[in-house]
Amino acid sequence: QLQLQESGPGLVKPSETLSLTCTVSGGSISSSTYYWGWIRQSPGRGLEWIGSIYYSGSTYYNPSLKSRVTISVDTSNNQFSLKLTSATAADTALYYCARSIPSVAASGRFDYWGQGTLVTVSS
Amino acid sequence: DIQMTQSPSTLSASVGDRVTITCRASQSVSGWLAWYQQKPGKAPKLLIYGASSLQSGAPSRFSGSGSGTQFTLTITSLQPDDFATYYCQQYNSYLTFGQGTRLEIK
Repeated sequence: QLQLQESGPGLVKPSETLSLTCTVSGGSISSSTYYWGWIRQSPGRGLEWIGSIYYSGSTYYNPSLKSRVTISVDTSNNQFSLKLTSATAADTALYYCARSIPSVAASGRFDYWGQGTLVTVSS
Repeated sequence: DIQMTQSPSTLSASVGDRVTITCRASQSVSGWLAWYQQKPGKAPKLLIYGASSLQSGAPSRFSGSGSGTQFTLTITSLQPDDFATYYCQQYNSYLTFGQGTRLEIK
C-alpha cells in the first residue's frame, strides 16, 4: 500500500523559506507512470494546487505561485520536496503531498495523499 | 486560469436520500474532471475521475456525469458515512479545485 508522509517545520517566520519533504513508501517515486504533487488547504483559499514533479525532474507549477516555488525530487531516498520563498501569513495552510496520474495537463488527478502537515507563518 | 464553481455550498439531506452536487467550469475542461470526498481532519479521497469513472474502492452509489463546463456528482441512497465535504477538480489546464460543498445531516 502506497503511503506518503509530509515532514518539515510547523512554524516559519515571515520572509523566510518554507521547506517541506514528502517521503514515499510502498512504491517507487522513480516510476514513469506518475507525477508527485503538493497541494495546500486553508480556510481562505480552500484547496490550492502548488505544483507537481515527474521522476525525471520535470516540473509543473501553479502560475500564481511559480515565482516563489521550487519542487525537487530525490529518487535515492524516495522523496520529493517543496520550497516556497518569501513566506507570508497568506501561506499559512495545511500542506499535503500526493501522487498524481498524468493527463492532458501533465499532472492530473490525485489518487494517494499524505495526511497533511500544518505550517504557520508567523514571527 | 480556469475557475471552478460548486453549488450548493451546503446541502442538507437525510440517510437514504439521493443528492446531486454541481460543478461549473469557467471554460471547457472537456472530461478532465475529478471529484473528492473530504472528512474533518483527513486528506481528500478520490471518488470520480474523467468526469464519470469510479475510482477503485469507491462505492457504486457515487456517480459522475457531464462534460465541457457542467458536471454533477450524484450520490444515490445516502449513507451515514457520506456526510462530508465534496470538491471538484479540473485537470485540463493546470489544476484547480472548486470551493467545496458541505453535505450535512438534515
